[in-house]
Amino acid sequence: GESVGLHLPTLSVQEGDNSIINCAYSNSASDYFIWYKQESGKGPQFIIDIRSNMDKRQGQRVTVLLNKTVKHLSLQIAATQPGDSAVYFCAENNQAGTALIFGKGTTLSVSS
Amino acid sequence: KAGVTQTPRYLIKTRGQQVTLSCSPISGHRSVSWYQQTPGQGLQFLFEYFSETQRNKGNFPGRFSGRQFSNSRSEMNVSTLELGDSALYLCASSSRRAGAGEQYFGPGTRLTVT
Repeated sequence: GESVGLHLPTLSVQEGDNSIINCAYSNSASDYFIWYKQESGKGPQFIIDIRSNMDKRQGQRVTVLLNKTVKHLSLQIAATQPGDSAVYFCAENNQAGTALIFGKGTTLSVSS
Repeated sequence: KAGVTQTPRYLIKTRGQQVTLSCSPISGHRSVSWYQQTPGQGLQFLFEYFSETQRNKGNFPGRFSGRQFSNSRSEMNVSTLELGDSALYLCASSSRRAGAGEQYFGPGTRLTVT
């Protein structure tokens, strides 16, 4: 079946550290991947996306890496801040490319 | 540009009742997708509407239905509510089909079934 998973349910870092959140996906036919951040009481907020014809994409303080060989996706957050504390979800499009399939989420806790 | 809005934000219903949730997408977006979020199952896709037509449906019973109006606003209906329907219901809008590009989420409707 189609599924997207994350390696760790929780990640704790110190303010100023770089954070890496990992995600494994199962569908080798997926061609679109996306990261979301969800703060308590809010809907998921778009962070960054990447298509399968790319290996890396950078945004403001964030980088997404895609390794299609091992079906692995990661989100790197530079100089992590307390405001980055949230649940992070990765998602891939389904086999038909008509819906997003979400992973379970990783809770990032940033202490100052 | 205004974001995705959902009404109501909170709702308490009794088993057996029905409920209708509303979603207004970002102006110009024609795709509206609905998701159910629970602690145990995470974010699960319910269905997508694009230009008033349901284009895709997740693995949910027929008690879950929806529709989209000509102005792209969407409603989701759940009939014969069960305790397990308690969840955060999120809608997301996109300028492209779901799965083809980024989706922007609303704040969700928190449904509690007692």
